[in-house]
Amino acid sequence: RKEVEQDPGPFNVPEGATVAFNCTYSNSASQSFFWYRQDCRKEPKLLMSVYSSGNEDGRFTAQLNRASQYISLLIRDSKLSDSATYLCAVNGDSNYQLIWGAGTKLIIKP
Amino acid sequence: DAGVIQSPRHEVTEMGQEVTLRCKPISGHNSLFWYRQTMMRGLELLIYFNNNVPIDDSGMPEDRFSAKMPNASFSTLKIQPSEPRDSAVYFCASTRGAGGTGELFFGEGSRLTVL
Repeated sequence: RKEVEQDPGPFNVPEGATVAFNCTYSNSASQSFFWYRQDCRKEPKLLMSVYSSGNEDGRFTAQLNRASQYISLLIRDSKLSDSATYLCAVNGDSNYQLIWGAGTKLIIKP
Repeated sequence: DAGVIQSPRHEVTEMGQEVTLRCKPISGHNSLFWYRQTMMRGLELLIYFNNNVPIDDSGMPEDRFSAKMPNASFSTLKIQPSEPRDSAVYFCASTRGAGGTGELFFGEGSRLTVL
C-alpha cells in the first residue's frame, strides 16, 4: 500500500457543480496535511493546509478524518479555472519530510 | 518578492552529456528541496538541504546525481552522465523552517529531456 493515495481521476465535472475527492494516508502519527494545486506544466502551489478542525477558504473546504486516515477537499460552485491536478501532501517521519500523493486531475466543463 | 528561481527552464541533451540545473531559493528560507516529477512516479524528493547542509540525500537515484549548496542563495543539481530515464521535470522548493509543517514554495521547474 502506498503511503499516500489519491484517485488519479480525471473527474469531469460541469461548471457550477460541487466536487469532492479524498486522499488516504497510512501513517497514523502524521500531524500535518496539505492540499496543493498544480496547473498543467506548472509548479505545485499550496491551496490550503488541513487542520484538525477543518479549514474553509471561500469555495474550498478541507477536512481531516483521523479515524479513517484520510483528508478531503470539497469544491463548491466549481469554475472553469478550477481545472487542475490536486496533490495532497502529508508529513512523514521526519520534520522536513512530506509524502506526496500522485494527484487527482479535475476537469471542469462548461 | 521574487519566488524560487530555476534555470534552465528547458533542457534537451543527448545521453551521456552532463546536465546542471540551478536554483535560487527565496531569500530568508533556510530549507531547500530538489524534487523530480514524472507521470509514472509523481513527485519524488531527491535531496534536502537545511542551512546549506545536505540532510537527506536518500532519494538521489544513483551516483550519477549530485547536488551542492555552496551558499544560502544558490544550489545546483548535476547529472553526469545523463540517461534517457532521467527525463523529467526537476523542481526546486524552499521554505522557512524544516518543511514538513509549512508551505513549500516551488520554482517553475526545469524540464529535462535526454535523448
